[in-house]
Amino acid sequence: ETGVTQSPTHLIKTRGQQVTLRCSSQSGHNTVSWYQQALGQGPQFIFQYYREEENGRGNFPPRFSGLQFPNYSSELNVNALELDDSALYLCASSSSTGNTGELFFGEGSRLTVL
Amino acid sequence: AQSVTQPDIHITVSEGASLELRCNYSYGATPYLFWYVQSPGQGLQLLLKYFSGDTLVQGIKGFEAEFKRSQSSFNLRKPSVHWSDAAEYFCAVESTSYDKVIFGPGTSLSVIP
Repeated sequence: ETGVTQSPTHLIKTRGQQVTLRCSSQSGHNTVSWYQQALGQGPQFIFQYYREEENGRGNFPPRFSGLQFPNYSSELNVNALELDDSALYLCASSSSTGNTGELFFGEGSRLTVL
Repeated sequence: AQSVTQPDIHITVSEGASLELRCNYSYGATPYLFWYVQSPGQGLQLLLKYFSGDTLVQGIKGFEAEFKRSQSSFNLRKPSVHWSDAAEYFCAVESTSYDKVIFGPGTSLSVIP
């Protein structure tokens, strides 16, 4: 069973640039959630995708957008990067829209915005 | 809105000592509650979860948690801590608005040999 994989693991961008982060969900999982974890804080929910549709969104501006593909992998795109976007971005997959079960997390993509 | 608080930002215990990490939640109905652990440089791993039934739940790595509705708490316990338990611990609750899991701010655990 392949776990959740994220790429890249680390990246550095400058303010105003755009970034795309990628996530491959665990085999058999059709739901992907993205979280932002700033240093020393808990993960904050960005949005969730189920069967290629956005299924809920946290308190993040529209410059945070996402995609889910037919194979259930997902991308997180952030436009017009700001310094406060520096964080660990975590992807989690699960087996249904009802998260009454376990979220399986990847190891994250650490984004630094200079 | 649902929320989770973890009153202790950082806790230090000696190896072999008992551990209790506190978690309080704000929720309008019976919550689904979770504890996750994050080791340095890694993603989060589920320790245990409470959905219903027995209020004392057992998890992996010797951890357990007790759900107390009257106190809106879901504290995590371990009778004897190992050095490998040093990590960040997050309490979480499932939101009913659209199936998202809301995390608390975390408690950092240090273990003294």
